Amino acid sequence: EAQVTQNPRYLITVTGKKLTVTCSQNMNHEYMSWYRQDPGLGLRQIYYSMNVEVTDKGDVPEGYKVSRKEKRNFPLILESPSPNQTSLYFCASSLSWAHSGNTIYFGEGSWLTVV
Amino acid sequence: SQQGEEDPQALSIQEGENATMNCSYKTSINNLQWYRQNSGRGLVHLILIRSNEREKHSGRLRVTLDTSKKSSSLLITASRAADTASYFCATDARVRPSGSRLTFGEGTQLTVNP
Repeated sequence: EAQVTQNPRYLITVTGKKLTVTCSQNMNHEYMSWYRQDPGLGLRQIYYSMNVEVTDKGDVPEGYKVSRKEKRNFPLILESPSPNQTSLYFCASSLSWAHSGNTIYFGEGSWLTVV
Repeated sequence: SQQGEEDPQALSIQEGENATMNCSYKTSINNLQWYRQNSGRGLVHLILIRSNEREKHSGRLRVTLDTSKKSSSLLITASRAADTASYFCATDARVRPSGSRLTFGEGTQLTVNP
């Protein structure tokens, strides 16, 4: 079954404690992306990756890091989380970078609360 | 700012009625996509309409695209309680030097009352 899997699904953490949200897809997709969703702001792209070892900033990259060492995984790293990073996070993937017409597949979301 | 902006922000209708949601955008696009999101869940792709298409159907869904007005509409006919969800438009626009980028609007919350 085609899937984008995120972990953890729910996390409460404290300010400054580094955390990683993992994302894995089993569709051999080249393109992967992270979004955050906040009330009244819709989905905003954090980072994206066109392929292995190729990543770039989205609209709201501050406070986040990513890596793409292998095709299937695209972890999101919060080196020093702050309360304004409390949000619902989605990982997504699609077939290719030049994805005009490609469907985006989303993970189920990770609820992150930073206190 | 968001490329796609949905209107209305919230819509409440009775089962069996039609629901229409609109999306406006600002720049030229390759295609426009509509997604659905059940509360707290991931988004699911519904339908894609290319920039050279004016109308597309999929089951009870009908999407129109007017590139001169930079707008699209999603019509759900004969709505059901199970259609209750948030609906997002996403514009797929060219990004130089190659490739494209999908940008989401803020969504329309649809409630279908039994």
